[in-house]
Amino acid sequence: EAGVAQSPRYKIIEKRQSVAFWCNPISGHATLYWYQQILGQGPKLLIQFQNNGVVDDSQLPKDRFSAERLKGVDSTLKIQPAKLEDSAVYLCASSLVGVNYGYTFGSGTRLTVV
Amino acid sequence: KQEVTQIPAALSVPEGENLVLNCSFTDSAIYNLQWFRQDPGKGLTSLLLIQSSQREQTSGRLNASLDKSSGRSTLYIAASQPGDSATYLCAVKHQPGYALNFGKGTSLLVTP
Repeated sequence: EAGVAQSPRYKIIEKRQSVAFWCNPISGHATLYWYQQILGQGPKLLIQFQNNGVVDDSQLPKDRFSAERLKGVDSTLKIQPAKLEDSAVYLCASSLVGVNYGYTFGSGTRLTVV
Repeated sequence: KQEVTQIPAALSVPEGENLVLNCSFTDSAIYNLQWFRQDPGKGLTSLLLIQSSQREQTSGRLNASLDKSSGRSTLYIAASQPGDSATYLCAVKHQPGYALNFGKGTSLLVTP
C-alpha cells in the first residue's frame, strides 16, 4: 500500500512570510494528524482530524497556524506569518479509526525560517 | 497530563552488543504503546505496536515489553548492527480519540 505522502520535503523562508504543507494519508485512513518536531525533541501534536472534522487542536497556535481537510482526504497546514521558532520538521500521520490501531507517518517537511 | 520519558537520551555501543532502551509514562491507563525509529532528516518508521492487553511484541531482532501497571516499556535490540543507528521514539495512546504522546527519544549509535 502507498504510504503517507508529504510535500515539500524542504522549505526555507524568511520570517513573516507564509508557507503551506500538504499531506495525503493512506487510503481509507479516516484519522489524520499534524505533528511539529523541533530538533532534539519528540513530536508534538498540532491538530487531529477525523474525516473532515477537527478532534483536537488545543496545541495549535491559532494566531498563525491553520489547517484544513476539506474533503476528508488530503490536508494542508499553513503558517502565516512564520517566526524563527517555527523552524522544525512537520510530520503528517494517519490511522484507521479505533483505539487499537497504530500510526503511519510521512517523511516530513523540514522548515527553516531565517 | 501524560508524560513520557525515555532513558538514556543517548547511547553508544559496539557492534554485536545486546541493548535495552527504556520508556516510562505517568498515566498507566493506556490503550497502546508504539515504538518508532527515526533516521536523520527522515520521518518515523513504526517498529512495534503493543496493545494494553499484551505483555510483549517481537519483530526480528527487536522485542518490546510493556508493564502497564508500573508505567514502563523496554525495547530490546539483539546483536546490534551499525544500521541500527538512529533515534528511537516511544509513544503512548492514553485516551480513545486522543493522539499519541511522544517521549524525546534515545539516540543510538552502533560503532563497527
